[in-house]
Amino acid sequence: AQSVTQPDIHITVSEGASLELRCNYSYGATPYLFWYVQSPGQGLQLLLKYFSGDTLVQGIKGFEAEFKRSQSSFNLRKPSVHWSDAAEYFCAVGSYGGATNKLIFGTGTLLAVQP
Amino acid sequence: DAGVTQSPTHLIKTRGQQVTLRCSPKSGHDTVSWYQQALGQGPQFIFQYYEEEERQRGNFPDRFSGHQFPNYSSELNVNALLLGDSALYLCASSLGSSREETQYFGPGTRLLVL
Repeated sequence: AQSVTQPDIHITVSEGASLELRCNYSYGATPYLFWYVQSPGQGLQLLLKYFSGDTLVQGIKGFEAEFKRSQSSFNLRKPSVHWSDAAEYFCAVGSYGGATNKLIFGTGTLLAVQP
Repeated sequence: DAGVTQSPTHLIKTRGQQVTLRCSPKSGHDTVSWYQQALGQGPQFIFQYYEEEERQRGNFPDRFSGHQFPNYSSELNVNALLLGDSALYLCASSLGSSREETQYFGPGTRLLVL
């Protein structure tokens, strides 16, 4: 079955510290992978996506993610966290079938940033 | 360029009632998907509309239905509301439904069922 696992429910980092959010997926074919961010009271904003090619993808707001097929992982990283990065982060895999493209999401990681 | 818009932003209903949520896709997009996000969970796919037809449906009962209009806007209807239907309902739009197409999300409608 297709699924996404985000092992960390809640992470707290200090402002200026580096960040890595973990994501593992289960998908039979070549995965299409996404990271979205959700601020309080907001919808989901796309940070970055991986379809093919270079396994290190750059996104908005200084985020990057690395696709590792051997580990079925797509971890999100940022070298220096800003207070405005506090939000919930969702990893998703694109599932295609029946002429429909749907997203399967993980349960999210809530990021808190302390001064 | 207007993004995805949803109305209303918040809604309170009682058990057994019916509700209609509305979504206008991003300009130029023709495909609308609906997701339910329960508290503390990731969004779950309800269904997708393209060319006014429902495509694939997720694991949701027939109480959940939808419609897409010729201008590509969409409605989500939920009948016989249950307490468990309380959630944030997200609409996403894309241009077509190929795997390469990115889905853009609206701010959501928060539904509370009492």
